[in-house]
Amino acid sequence: QVQLQESGPGLVKPSETLSLTCTVSGGSVSSGSDYWSWIRQAPGKGLEWIGYIYYTGDTNYNPSLKSRVIMSVDTSKNQFSLKLRSVTAADTAVYYCARVLSSSWLDYWGQGTLVTVSS
Amino acid sequence: EIVLTQSPATLSLSPGERAILSCRASQNIRTYLAWYQQKPGQAPRLLIYDASNRATGIPARFSGSGSGTDFTLTISSLDPEDFAVYYCQQRSSPFTFGPGTNVDIK
Repeated sequence: QVQLQESGPGLVKPSETLSLTCTVSGGSVSSGSDYWSWIRQAPGKGLEWIGYIYYTGDTNYNPSLKSRVIMSVDTSKNQFSLKLRSVTAADTAVYYCARVLSSSWLDYWGQGTLVTVSS
Repeated sequence: EIVLTQSPATLSLSPGERAILSCRASQNIRTYLAWYQQKPGQAPRLLIYDASNRATGIPARFSGSGSGTDFTLTISSLDPEDFAVYYCQQRSSPFTFGPGTNVDIK
């Protein structure tokens, strides 16, 4: 059973960089068949896909966030990470990491972590 | 970007009743659609992928159908644990989700 766990600061100041890590257990980020994704959900709102990364470091970002997003992968630690720079209050959300099945569907999710942007 | 719309926004039903949820895509997505269930305070759970394939461990009362631009998620007989928000998602980049249908208890 694949399990994912997000970690990182729950409070980020405006204009700073949000940094989160997802630790994978029961599976490998180096699996050639899987991609690894970040999704967010603002309070009381719907789901927004941020992007995904492959173990080679290849990425695919949502154009709406592309200018501010960097994803990376650390195969030695079985982790992948998200950095979102120049955050504003609009970036306040629960951030989820997930495995991408068949480069299409999000079949295993972390529990999510709330990140609040506030001074 | 492909836009997904879902209807109705809210569906009020009683346990044991059949639920029919709709998702419409702004362009032809063949059968490249998934459905997720989300309960308060929890991450979404994959129910259906490729429009009609149940994900691992999903009960048979959940079924999906459709192709092109119109899709349906059917819950044949609502169990008390099925009251939740349901989202559809398409896989053309960027992935997009519908706004959700809230299935609540009548």
